Amino acid sequence: DTAVSQTPKYLVTQMGNDKSIKCEQNLGHDTMYWYKQDSKKFLKIMFSYNNKELIINETVPNRFSPKSPDKAHLNLHINSLELGDSAVYFCASSQVGQAEQYFGPGTRLTVT
Amino acid sequence: GDSVTQMEGPVTLSEEAFLTINCTYTATGYPSLFWYVQYPGEGLQLLLKATKADDKGSNKGFEATYRKETTSFHLEKGSVQVSDSAVYFCALGGDYKLSFGAGTTVTVRA
Repeated sequence: DTAVSQTPKYLVTQMGNDKSIKCEQNLGHDTMYWYKQDSKKFLKIMFSYNNKELIINETVPNRFSPKSPDKAHLNLHINSLELGDSAVYFCASSQVGQAEQYFGPGTRLTVT
Repeated sequence: GDSVTQMEGPVTLSEEAFLTINCTYTATGYPSLFWYVQYPGEGLQLLLKATKADDKGSNKGFEATYRKETTSFHLEKGSVQVSDSAVYFCALGGDYKLSFGAGTTVTVRA
């Protein structure tokens, strides 16, 4: 069983479009995250959710809107896509009180 | 704020060579420290961790020791294999986030 899954794995779209990436974890964790990995492989936190509540929004443009319908899911919706949004987006989860995080396989977003 | 400085790559080695990737950190308090590995085309996998000073994390022949006095968590492996070719990330556990180093690309040649 996949612990943290993301769909889609690849996403190619044009500037100005709106797209969503879905994330699900079956680990029973309370905390979920979105990270962005740029073309130089640098990883940076975007959002953290604990028990469906937003904890961290790391100066991400408001075109990015995370939504957590329940503790097992954290989706990422992106409006008005820009070229600079091209990156790999990783979802992760952890247990409350534990720093150790488990990552999904990533979604490679390409904006043309 | 919390930050991680990691040895820049790329690093190219021959099989059975010794690998060291340096990692130092800046943080308040006593964070947990991690090494994650990213194989080509894949997501991040937790390689090893240490939660307090002098802890040694180990997995798959890799080791790292949490050194509070030098604020370091260097990764080592005594004899690398071609299958160890990957990007290695040092990370520091903070409040509801991980802070990552820049990643070190390691290529092992047969």
